[in-house]
Amino acid sequence: EVQLVESGGTVVRPGGSLRLSCVTSGFNFDEYGMSWVRQAPGKGLEWVSSINWNGHSIGYADSVKGRFTISRDKAKTSLYLQMNHLRDEDTAFYFCVTYDFWKYAFFYWGQGTLVTVSS
Amino acid sequence: QTVLTQEPSLTVSPGGTVTLTCTSNTGAVTDIDYPNWFQQKPGQPPRSLIHSTSVKHSWTPARFSGSLLGGKAALTLSGVQPEDEADYYCLVYYGGAWVFGGGTKLTVL
Repeated sequence: EVQLVESGGTVVRPGGSLRLSCVTSGFNFDEYGMSWVRQAPGKGLEWVSSINWNGHSIGYADSVKGRFTISRDKAKTSLYLQMNHLRDEDTAFYFCVTYDFWKYAFFYWGQGTLVTVSS
Repeated sequence: QTVLTQEPSLTVSPGGTVTLTCTSNTGAVTDIDYPNWFQQKPGQPPRSLIHSTSVKHSWTPARFSGSLLGGKAALTLSGVQPEDEADYYCLVYYGGAWVFGGGTKLTVL
């Protein structure tokens, strides 16, 4: 069974930093790209970032470029999102998603972790 | 900047057929934009339904189908069930970035 478990969400002040983690199991982590997708409470989905299987191909939404960094750890089968210079508009549930770079396909979703940016 | 527009809301009767569309402000949506579709029910994470315009995941019910219609990505539900009531989102790949549509709230009534 594929499992994606996000953690790290909390309340943080504007301008602050936070690191989200996504621990995965049940599939071959080395074969899949991974993505972060966020959803502000009561709003729609927004793609944040994607990383391919070996970490050599990375993309970011314009809204987070230069502030967020995606990474992955093969040994820990985990995905990360380092978020710096946080803004009020970054408040959202952050979902970890498996992503097939070759098929341009999103597959499995985690349950999400809530980041609240507030003073 | 690419904006994808979906019907804000649609209503369908049980057993009926409904088509949700995804329109780009920059031109026609095509196969090389690799449209994906997702379903989200209240309090749950999204669930992937379709990728590459029309390819279903192994768990996607047969009544869901994806296509291109008149330059738009489309998701058709045939023989709608009460449990299909949910929000539906399209996702399209443009120039190295992914863009979500605003979502369609589907009511089964």
